Order: sequence, then structure tokens, then C-alpha cells
Amino acid sequence: AQSVTQLDSQVPVFEEAPVELRCNYSSSVSVYLFWYVQYPNQGLQLLLKYLSGSTLVKGINGFEAEFNKSQTSFHLRKPSVHISDTAEYFCAVSGGLTGGGNKLTFGTGTQLKVEL
Amino acid sequence: DTGVSQNPRHKITKRGQNVTFRCDPISEHNRLYWYRQTLGQGPEFLTYFQNEAQLEKSRLLSDRFSAERPKGSFSTLEIQRTEQGDSAMYLCASSSPGPGLARHEQYFGPGTRLTVT
Repeated sequence: AQSVTQLDSQVPVFEEAPVELRCNYSSSVSVYLFWYVQYPNQGLQLLLKYLSGSTLVKGINGFEAEFNKSQTSFHLRKPSVHISDTAEYFCAVSGGLTGGGNKLTFGTGTQLKVEL
Repeated sequence: DTGVSQNPRHKITKRGQNVTFRCDPISEHNRLYWYRQTLGQGPEFLTYFQNEAQLEKSRLLSDRFSAERPKGSFSTLEIQRTEQGDSAMYLCASSSPGPGLARHEQYFGPGTRLTVT
């Protein structure tokens, strides 16, 4: 079975500082990778995705992520965060042997807290 | 494109009662997924449909849970004889048939938060 590890449960950062949220996955086959953001009491919004092609992917709200196959990582970065980026961020993987019509396997999430 | 919608947004029920949730996917999305998210955790896959066919169910989906998508459009998730452990956010997502790799992108609804007292 595939798994996703988000090493940091909480990341505090000051406004306008850079941030990196870490994500590692386990898989022996090709995968598709996603980052979702969840604001309190809301559903998940797709931030960005890696399906194929360039390993550096850009998403909404100034976020980007880099797919590193050798390190099985897909870390999320933003060069300058805003107070409105405060939310829970989930890394997810599908494809390979997950079956379930491309069902998503999620990490446990990272709470990003942006402080003034 | 109005996005994925779910109703109700919140449901409080007493232990032992039955509840039913509805999900309306993005129009023309042929795949529909249900996930469950408990406090402090990431969503976990429950089941998915391709058109009206339910193609996979997770072991998390006990016999008290049933899902339908009778006309390949909206879906319902019913929980019978609810237990306190069923308290969670129930999320629905849908994905398009393509083209190409676009079928891997899932779009989520706002969720239904169930509280069993």
C-alpha cells in the first residue's frame, strides 16, 4: 500500500518569510502527486499537482512544489507567505498500485500558521 | 461550473439513528469519491463510483454504510445505526473522464460534518 508522510504537524512562520512544507511518499511505481489546502470547516482546494513533465510545478496563490523521484519527495514552497495562507495543507498521492480508480492517499496534514 | 456541492453541511444525530448525505458532483464528471476525515487526520478513502457503478469499497466502509449513485449523477451516503465513532467530516469529490491525465484531478465539496451524540 502507498503511504504519505508529512513530517511537520505544525509550521509557524512570520508574514513575508519563506516556507517549505515537507512531503515524502512511498511507492515503487509511477505516481501522481497533489497538494490541497483546507481552511477551517471547509472542503479541500487543489493547490497544485504533478502528473507528468516538468518536476517543478506551480500552483495557485504563489505556491510551487518540486517532484524529486530519487528522494520520493514533493515539498511545497512559497517564497513569501501572507496571513491569509494560514490553513491546513495536505499532500496526497494517487496512481500506481492504489487502485480505486485513482483514489487519493493523504498525509496527516501540516498546519501552517502565519504570524504578524 | 458550480463545483461539487454537499448537503447538509452539518448534521447532529443521536446514536442509533440513520443519516443520509447527498453529493452533487461537477456536471459531466463521471467519477465520484467519498472520503472520511476525522479530527486532526487527513481524509481516508471510503468508496468510489464510475458513472452509476460502485467499483471499490474500503474496509473502513462497514456494513452499516451504503452508498448509491443511481443515475450516475448525484450520490447518497447512508449510515445506519450511527455510533459515536462515526462522527467525522464526510467529503465528496469528483473527477472528469479526461482528456488525458486530467482524470486524476479530484475536486472536493465543502463536506458534511456529522456529530453523533
